[in-house]
Amino acid sequence: AQSVAQPEDQVNVAEGNPLTVKCTYSVSGNPYLFWYVQYPNRGLQFLLKYITGDNLVKGSYGFEAEFNKSQTSFHLKKPSALVSDSALYFCAVRDIGGGSNYKLTFGKGTLLTVNP
Amino acid sequence: DGGITQSPKYLFRKEGQNVTLSCEQNLNHDAMYWYRQDPGQGLRLIYYSQIVNDFQKGDIAEGYSVSREKKESFPLTVTSAQKNPTAFYLCASSARLAGGKNTGELFFGEGSRLTVL
Repeated sequence: AQSVAQPEDQVNVAEGNPLTVKCTYSVSGNPYLFWYVQYPNRGLQFLLKYITGDNLVKGSYGFEAEFNKSQTSFHLKKPSALVSDSALYFCAVRDIGGGSNYKLTFGKGTLLTVNP
Repeated sequence: DGGITQSPKYLFRKEGQNVTLSCEQNLNHDAMYWYRQDPGQGLRLIYYSQIVNDFQKGDIAEGYSVSREKKESFPLTVTSAQKNPTAFYLCASSARLAGGKNTGELFFGEGSRLTVL
């Protein structure tokens, strides 16, 4: 079975400071990893994904994420936070080695608040 | 513009009533999904469909039903058997890449908020 953990329910940072939203995963095979963002009462928007290749993945709105196989982590980062980055962030994993090729499992989400 | 359309955005239901949430996509995607979102619980998979006329139960399928008669449409019915149906429901789709491997991200609709009175 595949699973995702987002250990922090909330993250608070000051505008202009770097931000990190943590994610760890568990799969039986190789993972496909994703980050999504959700604004209030809206659907989820795709930010970035790791499939293979470089461990540092760059995505939308200046976000990036680093895949660490030994630590089974995929933390989301941004060098300088904006107030408009305040939202709910979800990490997700798909186990490409498992039988449920189409199934994407989500973490519980981390609420990011960027203070002016 | 291509995308996923969910309707209605807000829906109120009396206890004991069945309701159907609509999800339509014009992205030509093979796979479609229904997720339920509750505060603090993230997204939980209700049903998913990889091709027309085929669908599988997700993690919390009890009290729900779906159909996939057309590639573009994947409606979700919340039945009276669902004990706690008040939630935010999200529909999504994804592409099938060549060779049958699906590596693509999910595209989401804007959601439907169901409240049971």
